[in-house]
Amino acid sequence: LAKTTQPISMDSYEGQEVNITCSHNNIATNDYITWYQQFPSQGPRFIIQGYKTKVTNEVASLFIPADRKSSTLSLPRVSLSDTAVYYCLVGVYNDMRFGAGTRLTVKP
Amino acid sequence: EPEVTQTPSHQVTQMGQEVILRCVPISNHLYFYWYRQILGQKVEFLVSFYNNEISEKSEIFDDQFSVERPDGSNFTLKIRSTKLEDSAMYFCASSRDTTQAGSIGYTFGSGTRLTVV
Repeated sequence: LAKTTQPISMDSYEGQEVNITCSHNNIATNDYITWYQQFPSQGPRFIIQGYKTKVTNEVASLFIPADRKSSTLSLPRVSLSDTAVYYCLVGVYNDMRFGAGTRLTVKP
Repeated sequence: EPEVTQTPSHQVTQMGQEVILRCVPISNHLYFYWYRQILGQKVEFLVSFYNNEISEKSEIFDDQFSVERPDGSNFTLKIRSTKLEDSAMYFCASSRDTTQAGSIGYTFGSGTRLTVV
């Protein structure tokens, strides 16, 4: 199983763009990269998933370089409500393992 | 928006007792999962379930745990003889059967907080 490494915490201010990078050096050919958001006492919530290059949805963008050994979640113009833990997962659809995640704190 | 429903939201049980945590996955999903999160720690994978059998399980999912899909809608996690260290939030999740890009990922329920006393 591919191991992921993310920063433990990040601080940002309202209205800024936030980029969270995840390293996954031993990603396998079949693995997808998926990001989840979790608020306290709630289940994780799917944000975005990709395999290579760039994926964008209404919430975030995901950048994946050609070697796929890392990925960057980009959150445009964060607000206070984006304060949460963000997890990068790498794996196949039936076996996704969470790492420690990045605790993002958005300040006014 | 379709939801994964978990019951109960909070369960208190005595050490050594059996508990059953219940989940109703999204109706057109084919894969089902249980995760747990001990307070202040990361989300840990327990088991995945597909086509009425366990697909993958972690080292945490030992003989005291079992899963079942007793009918067409429910998915249950049974802990046979609870220990203090089983106290955690247990999350059920489900997903469509897809390996293609564009998957919507897992949909998680809001969890059952299990407290073993």
